[in-house]
Amino acid sequence: GAGVSQTPSNKVTEKGKYVELRCDPISGHTALYWYRQSLGQGPEFLIYFQGTGAADDSGLPNDRFFAVRPEGSVSTLKIQRTERGDSAVYLCASSLGTSGSKETQYFGPGTRLLVL
Amino acid sequence: SQKIEQNSEALNIQEGKTATLTCNYTNYSPAYLQWYRQDPGRGPVFLLLIRENEKEKRKERLKVTFDTTLKQSLFHITASQPADSATYLCALPLLYNQGGKLIFGQGTELSVKP
Repeated sequence: GAGVSQTPSNKVTEKGKYVELRCDPISGHTALYWYRQSLGQGPEFLIYFQGTGAADDSGLPNDRFFAVRPEGSVSTLKIQRTERGDSAVYLCASSLGTSGSKETQYFGPGTRLLVL
Repeated sequence: SQKIEQNSEALNIQEGKTATLTCNYTNYSPAYLQWYRQDPGRGPVFLLLIRENEKEKRKERLKVTFDTTLKQSLFHITASQPADSATYLCALPLLYNQGGKLIFGQGTELSVKP
């Protein structure tokens, strides 16, 4: 079956611009996660959704970052007034749920964001 | 605050040998620990989950141990193959026994030479 997909795979933008990154989770997965990964580091948690609501957004670095999941499926991560320090790979993951055997997270290939 | 540490240096081994990777954590007691594999340009792929009441878990050539006293997990790949070359990440749930937010180590790069 189809895994988690993310678009675009690469995004180059200029400092100060607005970007949107999209994630399509595995069908039927109620939980969706966003992580950010810098070179040589492990993924860093940003936010996760249970259904349509953000269950935990404690990892968002500042108010320039915002994410939505209006229908409980596709999610969009939005970054305003991008800065060079935002350059990283943005990973999306989904899981069936968040407890017991449902908690395993399945990751997409990531969107590589470069802010010039 | 919670912290996870993995061998920062790359591990280079000969094909057929056993690779052993280490994950140490501090300042909390997770209900479980996970190991992921990540290839260049790809997202992490889940390999194994081991719970706090399990000392050891196996899957094919993979073996994971979890010592909650030492706050350490060891990840073994037996009869290693060049195809096992990748970065291996350990991850822990921030909140005890709840899914959601995972904290990852920085990963250990494994290179298996033929």
